[in-house]
Amino acid sequence: AQSVTQPDIHITVSEGASLELRCNYSYGATPYLFWYVQSPGQGLQLLLKYFSGDTLVQGIKGFEAEFKRSQSSFHLRKPSVHWSDAAEYFCAVGAQGYSSASKIIFGSGTRLSIRP
Amino acid sequence: GAGVSQSPSNKVTEKGKDVELRCDPISGHTALYWYRQSLGQGLEFLIYFQGNSAPDKSGLPSDRFSAERTGGSVSTLTIQRTQQEDSAVYLCASSAKSGTGREKLFFGSGTQLSVL
Repeated sequence: AQSVTQPDIHITVSEGASLELRCNYSYGATPYLFWYVQSPGQGLQLLLKYFSGDTLVQGIKGFEAEFKRSQSSFHLRKPSVHWSDAAEYFCAVGAQGYSSASKIIFGSGTRLSIRP
Repeated sequence: GAGVSQSPSNKVTEKGKDVELRCDPISGHTALYWYRQSLGQGLEFLIYFQGNSAPDKSGLPSDRFSAERTGGSVSTLTIQRTQQEDSAVYLCASSAKSGTGREKLFFGSGTQLSVL
């Protein structure tokens, strides 16, 4: 079974600073990996996803994430954060294959606050 | 509809009462997920449907929880004899594909359940 860990519950960064939100997964094969963002009044929406191929994936709003198999990680990064990036971020993992057992599970989330 | 619709948006109930939460997925989406979001717990997987069947009910926390889906569309999550620890936001998501682990999930805005 797959699992995902987000070790940081809350992170505060200054506006304009760089950002990295950590995500580690556990799965026997190459997983499908996602980052979702939950903004007040916006609900949950997909930021980016990794299925295969280039391990550096670009998402919306200037975010990117890098899949590192050796570290079982899929950290989310942004070079320069904006105040509007304040939100809750969730990493998710989906098990491969067309199987009734395949499902998508989420980490516990990281709350991002932006310091003016 | 245009998006995933959940009702009610807020539900306050007394301990021991039964509640029904409704999810109306995006038209044509075959997969439907229920998650529970509690403070510090992230998005806890409850159950997911492929069409009207539920291949994975492993996340349902107790036998007080049940869910059904009819017509491959609307789903109802029922909590019997509610307890205070059931208080949470219940999120529904749907996707166009089922059981692949690659699905992009579209989330509803959730039902905030408060058990007094």
